[in-house]
Amino acid sequence: GAVVSQHPSRVICKSGTSVKIECRSLDFQATTMFWYRQFPKQSLMLMATSNEGSKATYEQGVEKDKFLINHASLTLSTLTVTSAHPEDSSFYICSASTFRAGNTIYFGEGSWLTVV
Amino acid sequence: AQTVTQSQPEMSVQEAETVTLSCTYDTSESDYYLFWYKQPPSRQMILVIRQEAYKQQNATENRFSVNFQKAAKSFSLKISDSQLGDAAMYFCAYRRMEYGNKLVFGAGTILRVKS
Repeated sequence: GAVVSQHPSRVICKSGTSVKIECRSLDFQATTMFWYRQFPKQSLMLMATSNEGSKATYEQGVEKDKFLINHASLTLSTLTVTSAHPEDSSFYICSASTFRAGNTIYFGEGSWLTVV
Repeated sequence: AQTVTQSQPEMSVQEAETVTLSCTYDTSESDYYLFWYKQPPSRQMILVIRQEAYKQQNATENRFSVNFQKAAKSFSLKISDSQLGDAAMYFCAYRRMEYGNKLVFGAGTILRVKS
């Protein structure tokens, strides 16, 4: 079964509102989680690296005030898209890193965000 | 900065045949990981195979094997006896060895399997 769970899998929100996506590591402690955005038929674009108990590190060009990332515990990281606009519609994927199984990275199932 | 290049946007293979997906990368590190991930239409990222750079032996997982050429910075994926379920987007990825480092992905290759 999945070791990293992402919720919701699909969400539709109105333009101007905020939406939160959760990423949970189910049976391990993940001190580092990563958030990606993926457009159709394109690669995964890293948005930010989330470390438990500290501020996220954002990639160049990603607005940290728009994409709020919180990693409050060793099993949960959240991505909040604030004041969402239609251009924020995309597929968002999280992944979690663990020392188990040789420093393996596990991916969540992804979340489809549609802003109308 | 590390980069990963997949030069084949799309590939096709006949069912039961063999196909090779290409990947090259650039790094100044001597120790690192290389991966191939499969992303089917469900969008779930599935680890296909993994290679540690310090290992000379090429990794193999059932019908999947790699040709790792460290000096040439090449990491191709060979899929033998292709099956319809192999149809997906395939991503080559690089990661530095230290814990907590991010994956650097290539642009991906869409693999189509013909019956």
